Amino acid sequence: GAVVSQHPSWVICKSGTSVKIECRSLDFQATTMFWYRQFPKQSLMLMATSNEGSKATYEQGVEKDKFLINHASLTLSTLTVTSAHPEDSSFYICSATPVANEKLFFGSGTQLSVL
Amino acid sequence: AQTVTQSQPEMSVQEAETVTLSCTYDTSENNYYLFWYKQPPSRQMILVIRQEAYKQQNATENRFSVNFQKAAKSFSLKISDSQLGDTAMYFCASKYDNYGQNFVFGPGTRLSVLP
Repeated sequence: GAVVSQHPSWVICKSGTSVKIECRSLDFQATTMFWYRQFPKQSLMLMATSNEGSKATYEQGVEKDKFLINHASLTLSTLTVTSAHPEDSSFYICSATPVANEKLFFGSGTQLSVL
Repeated sequence: AQTVTQSQPEMSVQEAETVTLSCTYDTSENNYYLFWYKQPPSRQMILVIRQEAYKQQNATENRFSVNFQKAAKSFSLKISDSQLGDTAMYFCASKYDNYGQNFVFGPGTRLSVLP
């Protein structure tokens, strides 16, 4: 099956700093990747759709200046949480769909804790 | 807008018994896919089973099977011979078409398999 790698698995940072999370499709090309946020005991909340070579599409209520997404290649998308604050602490998950494949494959997630 | 509902926030089942998780959805689309994803304590999202809406035959994957009732817009998951490793959050999800980004997740059902 298709493999999506997400790094780091967890990160602790000070308030005001920026954190970058990487999402890689290891054995397929992904023109589109998705970034989700998940609060404890809740479902996945789509934050944005990352499109290779173009600007990301953000869901309503998601601050695009705080959550910067870059999809510079067909196998890599990055999410940068800028000037992180404690309220940004959460579990972030990326996912991707191979071309002409209806299934969604997920990274292992990143737990962000902002002190 | 497409919605997915899971009316059972929590369920439990004895090991080796059978359990059914409910899911209903609402869509005006004719072509769509339905999925069940599992999220164990590791928080890695794992695809359990999928169903194409145009197929009447219910999908089966080993101990996992679905009861797809298109007219009723119902998509339940049956787990037979439950194992301790089945303990997880289970999310029902829908997707409109093969190239779109419209994955919609339900709120999830927390399943506990008891020894």
